[in-house]
Amino acid sequence: EAGVAQSPRYKIIEKRQSVAFWCNPISGHATLYWYQQILGQGPKLLIQFQNNGVVDDSQLPKDRFSAERLKGVDSTLKIQPAKLEDSAVYLCASSLGAGMEKLFFGSGTQLSVL
Amino acid sequence: DAKTTQPNSMESNEEEPVHLPCNHSTISGTDYIHWYRQLPSQGPEYVIHGLTSNVNNRMASLAIAEDRKSSTLILHRATLRDAAVYYCILRVLTGGGNKLTFGTGTQLKVEL
Repeated sequence: EAGVAQSPRYKIIEKRQSVAFWCNPISGHATLYWYQQILGQGPKLLIQFQNNGVVDDSQLPKDRFSAERLKGVDSTLKIQPAKLEDSAVYLCASSLGAGMEKLFFGSGTQLSVL
Repeated sequence: DAKTTQPNSMESNEEEPVHLPCNHSTISGTDYIHWYRQLPSQGPEYVIHGLTSNVNNRMASLAIAEDRKSSTLILHRATLRDAAVYYCILRVLTGGGNKLTFGTGTQLKVEL
């Protein structure tokens, strides 16, 4: 079974530039999550989708971050403009539903903002 | 979000059992206890979860205290590949979704 696919694997940008990350969840998984993991910390949930609707985006910095999940399958996370403190690994995860099903994570995109 | 407390790091020798503790004194009756681990340069990986009873699977065992205020993840025979950060997480089942809120976890080091 194919896992959660993310691209790119690494990205280096300068502050105030824009960047986008892409995620393709496991086939059939209705719930998709974006997490931000700063070095030395645990992952922090940014946004959760159920199909193509947003369930929780309470920790998403909406002035600069946006995410969409068109057609309820793959998703993109965008940062515009980037700040130095956005340097982190951005992890995408998916699960069958929003119950107690386990989450499957991708390997993440490592973002460095210079 | 309900809080968990874990030691920052633990060490083990290969082939020996490892007991990773987690305190969750504010747990409520509907909170599930989940464990994930994160190997270097990878996303977190599900290990095990439970509500009240002890649980076993091919990766590990989860022992839950009778009052549910603490739990222990047991790796029966640690290998070098088990070196990772282990996260103990309380997961609340709600109508709108139930996010996983990660803490800083326990860094497990396994030595030959």
